[in-house]
Amino acid sequence: RKEVEQDPGPFNVPEGATVAFNCTYSNSASQSFFWYRQDCRKEPKLLMSVYSSGNEDGRFTAQLNRASQYISLLIRDSKLSDSATYLCVVIDYNTDKLIFGTGTRLQVFP
Amino acid sequence: NAGVMQNPRHLVRRRGQEARLRCSPVKGHSHVYWYRQLPEEGLKFMVYLQKENIIDESGMPKERFSAEFPKEGPSILRIQQVVRGDSAAYFCASSLGLGLHQETQYFGPGTRLLVL
Repeated sequence: RKEVEQDPGPFNVPEGATVAFNCTYSNSASQSFFWYRQDCRKEPKLLMSVYSSGNEDGRFTAQLNRASQYISLLIRDSKLSDSATYLCVVIDYNTDKLIFGTGTRLQVFP
Repeated sequence: NAGVMQNPRHLVRRRGQEARLRCSPVKGHSHVYWYRQLPEEGLKFMVYLQKENIIDESGMPKERFSAEFPKEGPSILRIQQVVRGDSAAYFCASSLGLGLHQETQYFGPGTRLLVL
């Protein structure tokens, strides 16, 4: 079983739609969680950290469910510029490594 | 105020040749990480270095791959006798190195290696 699993997609949604991605992690020692965005053939860029209480940044909301070991990302009012691959990332405090999921591809169409 | 710089951005090698990938971290950052991304896959940790020290190389193949981060100059990821399976995007990231688990890693643009 992969340490971090994501639905690869693609998710094809129209502009203005709300879309949600989930990610599950297998290691209960994982303590820090992030969503990164990666555009085609570019480097990953930090989108937001994920806190137990949930956090919101504009149109983006991230949630963490420790009991079920999953993380979610909700994007409201999708824009064409949101088209990218969204990477779920966890840090294992025991190894201090970033563990990346394979990403979920989002395509927003006009 | 440059971010992480990597060069070359694209590298083509024939099987059996050597590939050298360079990474200059953000100014003031003392920690460097190398990741590999195979086509249609996520990034995989390879090695974590501080100046003149390899901290964790558990993700690096035991043979043909080596990494260094000298006191002066960029970090180098070296792949000897490349094979087709080495074709991938290699990303470098750097962080301040304060020892904080949630410390942000800043990624470079990557080097795309193609082995013919």
